[in-house]
Amino acid sequence: NAGVTQTPKFQVLKTGQSMTLQCAQDMNHNSMYWYRQDPGMGLRLIYYSASEGTTDKGEVPNGYNVSRLNKREFSLRLESAAPSQTSVYFCASMRGLNEQYFGPGTRLTVT
Amino acid sequence: QKEVEQNSGPLSVPEGAIASLNCTYSDRGSQSFFWYRQYSGKSPELIMSIYSNGDKEDGRFTAQLNKASQYVSLLIRDSQPSDSATYLCAVNIRYGQNFVFGPGTRLSVLP
Repeated sequence: NAGVTQTPKFQVLKTGQSMTLQCAQDMNHNSMYWYRQDPGMGLRLIYYSASEGTTDKGEVPNGYNVSRLNKREFSLRLESAAPSQTSVYFCASMRGLNEQYFGPGTRLTVT
Repeated sequence: QKEVEQNSGPLSVPEGAIASLNCTYSDRGSQSFFWYRQYSGKSPELIMSIYSNGDKEDGRFTAQLNKASQYVSLLIRDSQPSDSATYLCAVNIRYGQNFVFGPGTRLSVLP
């Protein structure tokens, strides 16, 4: 039981490049989330998916797209990376309206 | 006005003392409240959840909720150096499964 896994752990991009962050959970949770964390800002919600086939915008969705591929997987795509997207990205999953379980994070630097 | 506010700290307490962490929120319709602990370079982990007014105790941790004052707190008794971390307050706001996190309070427990 791996919980929530994220790939890659680290990534460096040049401005304008694209990439997809992958997230998978093996806890059969319905809800999944993508957050970014910047120093002094706490966690900010980018997108979430309450169930397979649905996605909703969070606080900071601009510049990102998501795909809920199936119940296990929820990916985050940066189409044209910008330095302002340098951050640590966390994926989380949740059963019901209770505890969120977080993945280990992806540290992204955009130069 | 930020939706969830916390003192950024650092809050320094001596080993064995009580650490008191505070959080205020702006949405009166918020229903569920969480405290997460995050060690440097790691992902957040849930330590307490609280849903109704009053106190909830779990080991050395006590969460307190006052919905009328829109205030939630976390007390850590007999603080240990291993409690040194950033503590994030999270609120499940009314319109769905959207969670809002505060910026976090950095706690330092001095031996």
